[in-house]
Amino acid sequence: AQTVTQSQPEMSVQEAETVTLSCTYDTSESDYYLFWYKQPPSRQMILVIRQEAYKQQNATENRFSVNFQKAAKSFSLKISDSQLGDAAMYFCAYRTSTGNQFYFGTGTSLTVIP
Amino acid sequence: NAGVTQTPKFRILKIGQSMTLQCTQDMNHNYMYWYRQDPGMGLKLIYYSVGAGITDKGEVPNGYNVSRSTTEDFPLRLELAAPSQTSVYFCASSTRLTGENGELFFGEGSRLTVL
Repeated sequence: AQTVTQSQPEMSVQEAETVTLSCTYDTSESDYYLFWYKQPPSRQMILVIRQEAYKQQNATENRFSVNFQKAAKSFSLKISDSQLGDAAMYFCAYRTSTGNQFYFGTGTSLTVIP
Repeated sequence: NAGVTQTPKFRILKIGQSMTLQCTQDMNHNYMYWYRQDPGMGLKLIYYSVGAGITDKGEVPNGYNVSRSTTEDFPLRLELAAPSQTSVYFCASSTRLTGENGELFFGEGSRLTVL
């Protein structure tokens, strides 16, 4: 089974600064999907960004961007101009090429310091 | 669109009681999932379904049962509740085909406490 590793249980960032959350995964597949989810204190799981493995270009959604290194099996999330509302737990997730299995990391708790 | 709807949002059970967490989605998704999230932890897959009439065990299925009689509904049954089942439960759904909408859509979660 695929494994997803988030090695930073907690991170903090000053408001308006940039922070990068790390995620690595283990797979033998060549085609798959990667996601970052945000879980604020409300506990709702919110999709932040997705990346298809066959796309070389890194995905970007406003202040959120990824650094996808397929050979290194790395998928980090960069949050620019951090805002207080970015404070949350962030989960990295992997979807298999067959499409019916998702694997989640253990999460990174992000604190934004005013 | 309502998306994925879970009920109830909160429930307190006594040890040994049974209950059903309801989940319904209105996006015509083939795949549906039940996860549990213990405090400060990640998500663990309980059961999943790839279509009506088809279910399969995930990582932590013991103490739970599911059924999938329709595409829309995927209830999770807790039999003989135990304190170890105190958790937040998430239902989620996804499309069959991987594409632009390959992500999981989550319900708002159901917080269950077993005393």
